[in-house]
Amino acid sequence: GQQVMQIPQYQHVQEGEDFTTYCNSSTTLSNIQWYKQRPGGHPVFLIQLVKSGEVKKQKRLTFQFGEAKKNSSLHITATQTTDVGTYFCAGQIWSNYQLIWGAGTKLIIKP
Amino acid sequence: NAGVTQTPKFRILKIGQSMTLQCTQDMNHNYMYWYRQDPGMGLKLIYYSVGAGITDKGEVPNGYNVSRSTTEDFPLRLELAAPSQTSVYFCASSPSGSSWDEQYFGPGTRLTVT
Repeated sequence: GQQVMQIPQYQHVQEGEDFTTYCNSSTTLSNIQWYKQRPGGHPVFLIQLVKSGEVKKQKRLTFQFGEAKKNSSLHITATQTTDVGTYFCAGQIWSNYQLIWGAGTKLIIKP
Repeated sequence: NAGVTQTPKFRILKIGQSMTLQCTQDMNHNYMYWYRQDPGMGLKLIYYSVGAGITDKGEVPNGYNVSRSTTEDFPLRLELAAPSQTSVYFCASSPSGSSWDEQYFGPGTRLTVT
């Protein structure tokens, strides 16, 4: 079946360092969504990318959608403690109601 | 708006027991979803509904049942609970299932089967 692979599983960073997570799909996506889940919380929508090669920014967060619409990335510049949590990508295929979720990347700030 | 609400927040079941997880949304969304999230993992779709009276299986439907008699409510029924069903269950809704809609999640139900 269709899969979305997300790496890395964990990333430990010092506060102020950058963070990046990557998603790769086995099939072309119609769009990809990104969600953040704080520890003990529920996923919260961050952004959606639809166009090939699209780049969107939200303050220190930069989201990219690949030209082939099979991969995507989230980059956080100068991480802060408020960024702690797990970041999920979720891709959608044309004519399918279901989101295909990556396994998530957990951002951990080193003390 | 309360958004998506789920009850209970926590539950411990014995093997073989049954229970219903409740989910209600007050946003008049057509689409509703049930996911399970195992520790350290992503979300897996159990069932979804595109409107009242219409439900369909997701990736991991075995051991579960759903119904959708109203737009607002989408309960998930576990029959004959098994330890493999220990997980966190999230209900979500979206205005439609199109490419343009984000999903809104409830706070989750943490279920332990022992």
